[in-house]
Amino acid sequence: QLQLQESGPGLVKPSETLSLTCAVSGRSISSTSYYWGWIRQPPGKGLEWIGSIYYTGSTYYNASLKSRVTISVDTSKNQFSLKLNSVTAADTAIYYCAKRGTAADDGFDMWGQGTMVTVSS
Amino acid sequence: QSVLTQPPSVSGAPGQTVTISCTGSSSNIGTGYDVHWYQQLPGTAPKLLIYTNNNRPSGVPDRFSGSKSGTSASLAITGLQAEDEADYYCQSYDSSLSGSVFGTGTKVTVL
Repeated sequence: QLQLQESGPGLVKPSETLSLTCAVSGRSISSTSYYWGWIRQPPGKGLEWIGSIYYTGSTYYNASLKSRVTISVDTSKNQFSLKLNSVTAADTAIYYCAKRGTAADDGFDMWGQGTMVTVSS
Repeated sequence: QSVLTQPPSVSGAPGQTVTISCTGSSSNIGTGYDVHWYQQLPGTAPKLLIYTNNNRPSGVPDRFSGSKSGTSASLAITGLQAEDEADYYCQSYDSSLSGSVFGTGTKVTVL
């Protein structure tokens, strides 16, 4: 059974880099059938797609975050990661990792439980 | 700001039908891109509720149905139940933004 689990620091200082990892279990991250993505949700607000990655390393990002975001994949560890640099309080959110199919307009059919990240000094 | 607009809230009595709209544009829903719906219960991760406009994943009650027309999509909940009280989000793809987009979200309250 496929499961996704986010991990990383719950507190990041302003101007520093937020780093999270999503461990995939129950399925190879190298499957040709999936893309892997990151989505965030500020407290009390809606969902925002951050970016997605294929096992080959092919990525695409939300244009509003593109200059600060890097998503990478480690097939040997069956996990993928998010780095968001120069964070501010506006980046405080629950961060989810999720899986979708290979079509650009596919839905995210499996989600991790989410991890809260607070940006504060 | 989201390119998919939903009403902030809808409400209904148990047993009633509520409908949530998701209004997009010619660069997303209007192009023919699929629409998906998610249910987010308090304190939990979103769950895929409807995929590819009108399909229910295994385990989702048939009280939930989706439709799409033109630049909009809708989610209907018939026979509303207390356990349906949650936030609901639509999602599609936008060709101008070259990425996935989520709706603004709708809180469903069961009176």
